[in-house]
Amino acid sequence: DAGVIQSPRHEVTEMGQEVTLRCKPISGHDYLFWYRQTMMRGLELLIYFNNNVPIDDSGMPEDRFSAKMPNASFSTLKIQPSEPRDSAVYFCASSLEGRWNSPLHFGNGTRLTVT
Amino acid sequence: DQQVKQNSPSLSVQEGRISILNCDYTNSMFDYFLWYKKYPAEGPTFLISISSIKDKNEDGRFTVFLNKSAKHLSLHIVPSQPGDSAVYFCAASAGGGADGLTFGKGTHLIIQP
Repeated sequence: DAGVIQSPRHEVTEMGQEVTLRCKPISGHDYLFWYRQTMMRGLELLIYFNNNVPIDDSGMPEDRFSAKMPNASFSTLKIQPSEPRDSAVYFCASSLEGRWNSPLHFGNGTRLTVT
Repeated sequence: DQQVKQNSPSLSVQEGRISILNCDYTNSMFDYFLWYKKYPAEGPTFLISISSIKDKNEDGRFTVFLNKSAKHLSLHIVPSQPGDSAVYFCAASAGGGADGLTFGKGTHLIIQP
């Protein structure tokens, strides 16, 4: 299996622009998670889906952030408009059952820089 | 407020010796604990876990110890190898859900030759 695939690996954009991050989970995994990693806050859960349905988006920082999962093999995280404080590494992860003994499989992340 | 704390941002250990990474938590509802390992430019990968009904779990060179009364867990790596150089994240969950995973900020382990 190719694992969780994220694109792009790096994104540099100017403040005010729209940014779209993409994720393809492992086939057969029912849960998909979006995390953000910063030096100050570490790894934070933004939102997660179960069977393509958003379950908990309480970690999404502001209305500027939105996430969708139109089908079992694709998810997007969109930031509109982007701000410099959104600069971080964004990880997508998937798991088979969403339980602790069904570990998260992370993608390699998208490093976002907003200037 | 950090519910999972890794107070050592970095740790340097000589190859062949024991590496001990520590993690403290404040939420008494946490009942599952996991360690993830992360290399540069890659995502974290699952390493080992432990349920609160146990106080020790071993997998090869890796052992996790849990002290519930102290709300403390540790990861022991014996013997340490150069490939163990990475950032290690402690994570905790309440009620068994991966959706509720709370991560620490990580400890950068450096294995010196």
